[in-house]
Amino acid sequence: SQTIHQWPATLVQPVGSPLSLECTVEGTSNPNLYWYRQAAGRGLQLLFYSVGIGQISSEVPQNLSASRPQDRQFILSSKKLLLSDSGFYLCACLGQLHGYTFGSGTRLTVV
Amino acid sequence: SQQGEEDPQALSIQEGENATMNCSYKTSINNLQWYRQNSGRGLVHLILIRSNEREKHSGRLRVTLDTSKKSSSLLITASRAADTASYFCATGLIPGGSYIPTFGRGTSLIVHP
Repeated sequence: SQTIHQWPATLVQPVGSPLSLECTVEGTSNPNLYWYRQAAGRGLQLLFYSVGIGQISSEVPQNLSASRPQDRQFILSSKKLLLSDSGFYLCACLGQLHGYTFGSGTRLTVV
Repeated sequence: SQQGEEDPQALSIQEGENATMNCSYKTSINNLQWYRQNSGRGLVHLILIRSNEREKHSGRLRVTLDTSKKSSSLLITASRAADTASYFCATGLIPGGSYIPTFGRGTSLIVHP
């Protein structure tokens, strides 16, 4: 079964600073990968998904971008963070039985 | 895109009682999944039910699916304090071969010891 490593667990960044969150997957190859954001007490908003290296689909226009430089690496970035970028970011991988494996998440606070 | 919507938004029960959460969705699905999220953590996959299944069990969990009503329910029997968490349903789409899960806002379950 696959395992997702996501870091850092928490991050406090000033407005206007850059962001890079990394997610790596073990135990599978050529996975579908996803980045979600969860606001406090809310559901999960799909931000990006990728079906392969260099293939990124964006679900919502925003201040963020994603890249997939390697098969099992998915990166979420921003050049200049906004206060509204605060939230809980989750990386997920599609499993073979169509269930999803999630990383432990990164809580981002933009101050 | 379609979205699962959980009901109720919050549920508070005593240990030993059963907890029932519902999920409604909008369009045809090929499967529906339930997840659990402890506070500040990632989601953990609990159970998947396919569109041709009506009921599925896993331990103290029972999931039903009614595709005619576009709804599903998650029953946790003999609840424990450790079941306290948020529960989400998710449905998947396969547009153009990509599988994109969409989640509702979740049901926040509190089980009092």
